[in-house]
Amino acid sequence: GQNIDQPTEMTATEGAIVQINCTYQTSGFNGLFWYQQHAGEAPTFLSYNVLDGLEEKGRFSSFLSRSKGYSYLLLKELQMKDSASYLCALKGYGQNFVFGPGTRLSVLP
Amino acid sequence: GAVVSQHPSWVICKSGTSVKIECRSLDFQATTMFWYRQFPKQSLMLMATSNEGSKATYEQGVEKDKFLINHASLTLSTLTVTSAHPEDSSFYICSANEAARDARETQYFGPGTRLLVL
Repeated sequence: GQNIDQPTEMTATEGAIVQINCTYQTSGFNGLFWYQQHAGEAPTFLSYNVLDGLEEKGRFSSFLSRSKGYSYLLLKELQMKDSASYLCALKGYGQNFVFGPGTRLSVLP
Repeated sequence: GAVVSQHPSWVICKSGTSVKIECRSLDFQATTMFWYRQFPKQSLMLMATSNEGSKATYEQGVEKDKFLINHASLTLSTLTVTSAHPEDSSFYICSANEAARDARETQYFGPGTRLLVL
């Protein structure tokens, strides 16, 4: 099975940088994905990692270390609209996704 | 990105009735669709994997006779909640992968259906 862990809640200030961590235990996976979900809405895709390293995509970057079972999502130049839940998910070899518990981020003025 | 629609977006029903939710891939063919359930302040929980032309694969603890899934075409999967009870009230979200298998391919999510059973 897969065990995914994320901090439950985080708070940061507008304009700052925040790092949301995701640790996991699994026998294998195809890729690690990050999604943003605003309350009452479906998740939207942010970033993914297949290989170790950093993937940068505008204000969002994601990092993966398979040997350490660890990933993080980095959000730069935080905006109020970034207040949302952030979900990391492992994509299995069968194309299914297993989601972590999610981290609720609050961005304060 | 690809577009997935769900219908209805909101449904309120009486206990004991059945509710059908449709999930459509609008601009691509989806051999596989996934159905998730999400309770307030919780993450998405996979209920079942819907495969076109074959039986769905249900996750452990999900009653296949209660949550009927039909994937009759490459663009449509339906989830029917039979004999709904108040504890079935939740946010139901479908997602779909494109037919081409790619490790980088993300899932495309529908907008979700909020079900309230009275």
